[in-house]
Amino acid sequence: RKEVEQDPGPFNVPEGATVAFNCTYSNSASQSFFWYRQDCRKEPKLLMSVYSSGNEDGRFTAQLNRASQYISLLIRDSKLSDSATYLCVVNESPRGGGFKTIFGAGTRLFVKA
Amino acid sequence: ETGVTQSPTHLIKTRGQQVTLRCSSQSGHNTVSWYQQALGQGPQFIFQYYREEENGRGNFPPRFSGLQFPNYSSELNVNALELDDSALYLCASSLAQGGQETQYFGPGTRLLVL
Repeated sequence: RKEVEQDPGPFNVPEGATVAFNCTYSNSASQSFFWYRQDCRKEPKLLMSVYSSGNEDGRFTAQLNRASQYISLLIRDSKLSDSATYLCVVNESPRGGGFKTIFGAGTRLFVKA
Repeated sequence: ETGVTQSPTHLIKTRGQQVTLRCSSQSGHNTVSWYQQALGQGPQFIFQYYREEENGRGNFPPRFSGLQFPNYSSELNVNALELDDSALYLCASSLAQGGQETQYFGPGTRLLVL
């Protein structure tokens, strides 16, 4: 089982649609969670952190369910400019010490006019 | 812009050669992480440096090594290059906050190994 798994995609949606991305992680001791956005041939950029209480930033809502080890991202009223790859990211502190960041493979979103 | 810079932007090497990639972190950040991203995949964690010491490592062989300097800039060194090392190499800087830190990425170095 992969440490962080995302919907394989791609998702093709019309402008104005609501789209949901799902992510699961395998390590129950994972500490922090993020969604990043990556445009073609560019570096990943932070979209939002994810908290157990859920958090919203404009059209974007992120949720974390620690019991199910599940993270979600919802985009409402999607725009053409939302077309990108969405990466689920988990931070761990392994037992041996140190720090480790694990990215999912990403889900590609195409928003069409 | 994140304030994280990387050099060079592109590089072509041949199998067996060695390469050094550089990263300057965002002002005030004390932690740098390096990632390898192959085409169509998510970034893979190589290692992290905190205050000049390796603070975590992914599943990469010892020929991938790094350094962090007192000004928190960093280098990634790869020896004995293989064709599969062709990828985008990303560095990310952060301020250590007990696992809660947010990482900010540089634009990456595209390495092609022939």
